[in-house]
Amino acid sequence: KAGVTQTPRYLIKTRGQQVTLSCSPISGHRSVSWYQQTPGQGLQFLFEYFSETQRNKGNFPGRFSGRQFSNSRSEMNVSTLELGDSALYLCASSSTSALYNEQFFGPGTRLTVL
Amino acid sequence: DQQVKQNSPSLSVQEGRISILNCDYTNSMFDYFLWYKKYPAEGPTFLISISSIKDKNEDGRFTVFLNKSAKHLSLHIVPSQPGDSAVYFCAASAMGSGGSNYKLTFGKGTLLTVNP
Repeated sequence: KAGVTQTPRYLIKTRGQQVTLSCSPISGHRSVSWYQQTPGQGLQFLFEYFSETQRNKGNFPGRFSGRQFSNSRSEMNVSTLELGDSALYLCASSSTSALYNEQFFGPGTRLTVL
Repeated sequence: DQQVKQNSPSLSVQEGRISILNCDYTNSMFDYFLWYKKYPAEGPTFLISISSIKDKNEDGRFTVFLNKSAKHLSLHIVPSQPGDSAVYFCAASAMGSGGSNYKLTFGKGTLLTVNP
């Protein structure tokens, strides 16, 4: 079974621009979560999507948004980029067949904002 | 407010010995705990988990212990191998409206180095 894939792997943008990151979950997984990893804050939850609906949201400004498509693929968008948005953005997918579900992570997209 | 804390940023052990990684949490609503391992340039890899109805879960060389009264969990790796060298993250989740067990709260990680 293929794992979680994220594109692109690396991205360089300048302040004020906007960016879209993509995530394809493991086949059959319908839940997709996004996390931001920075050296100072560690891994922080952004949001989670299930069946094209955002179910959970972390404490990030409205510049961070996402969506999920009918095939469970998800995109994350950051508008008006700031230097502090430089981070590794991780996507994780989960099966929904059990009460507790481990999340399986992709390799991440390294975003650098100049 | 950091709800999951890993107070040791790094840990160094000799090959063959036991590695013990610690994690504390403050949110009493957490009822499921996970450990992830992360190598550079890769996403975290799930290692082992434990539900709050248990106090121990074992999987091969990895054992997780949960002390709910102390809000503390630990990961034991026995015996430690050089390939175990990585950053280990503790994570927790709480059931809530909308199935919020999919929202994981992570600690900041502990870098484990296993020396040959």
